[in-house]
Amino acid sequence: DSGVTQTPKHLITATGQRVTLRCSPRSGDLSVYWYQQSLDQGLQFLIQYYNGEERAKGNILERFSAQQFPDLHSELNLSSLELGDSALYFCASRAPGQGTTGELFFGEGSRLTVL
Amino acid sequence: DQQVKQNSPSLSVQEGRISILNCDYTNSMFDYFLWYKKYPAEGPTFLISISSIKDKNEDGRFTVFLNKSAKHLSLHIVPSQPGDSAVYFCAASAPSGGSNYKLTFGKGTLLTVNP
Repeated sequence: DSGVTQTPKHLITATGQRVTLRCSPRSGDLSVYWYQQSLDQGLQFLIQYYNGEERAKGNILERFSAQQFPDLHSELNLSSLELGDSALYFCASRAPGQGTTGELFFGEGSRLTVL
Repeated sequence: DQQVKQNSPSLSVQEGRISILNCDYTNSMFDYFLWYKKYPAEGPTFLISISSIKDKNEDGRFTVFLNKSAKHLSLHIVPSQPGDSAVYFCAASAPSGGSNYKLTFGKGTLLTVNP
């Protein structure tokens, strides 16, 4: 158990719909990262938050948005869903004070299926 | 543009033998490298890391080698065990640490260790 909690674990929805994925980082971690893993793809970085502020953006579509709340949990919102959005979405957190090293701790992921 | 490349999608080895997983990177700014292991239906878990000031790091059966001039790293598992069967991801970070730290991942290599 990494200490990072993601809900829901599985989600099936239809094209055009909107979903929200939720992540609670490890206790004490200020950074939250979102990654997407599609079929035959590695872990694609989407977005990062640190203590409520957006710090870095990766290959995140305009239909997707995220935020980190004052209690440090984060939500990833996916809208106008397309078949190609079907993927595993991972949240990760990182301990503060690691400088330029240190690992990310990943949750178990949310599997999104768009039909 | 894939900055971290794992060119072998899969690798099969016999129990007790050595497993060698390879990773190449193109971004010369990367200075910290990690390997993660991922079992089905679980999130990636940290395995071992290496800083660019070193060329080798060992942890039990796992050794990571870094060749900076070739922009290549490898993970050696000796001896391989059936429980090592998983997807292995190579990851790298550039020195934008602190609250801007992020990892770039390869696509992963599926290792199968046969009894």
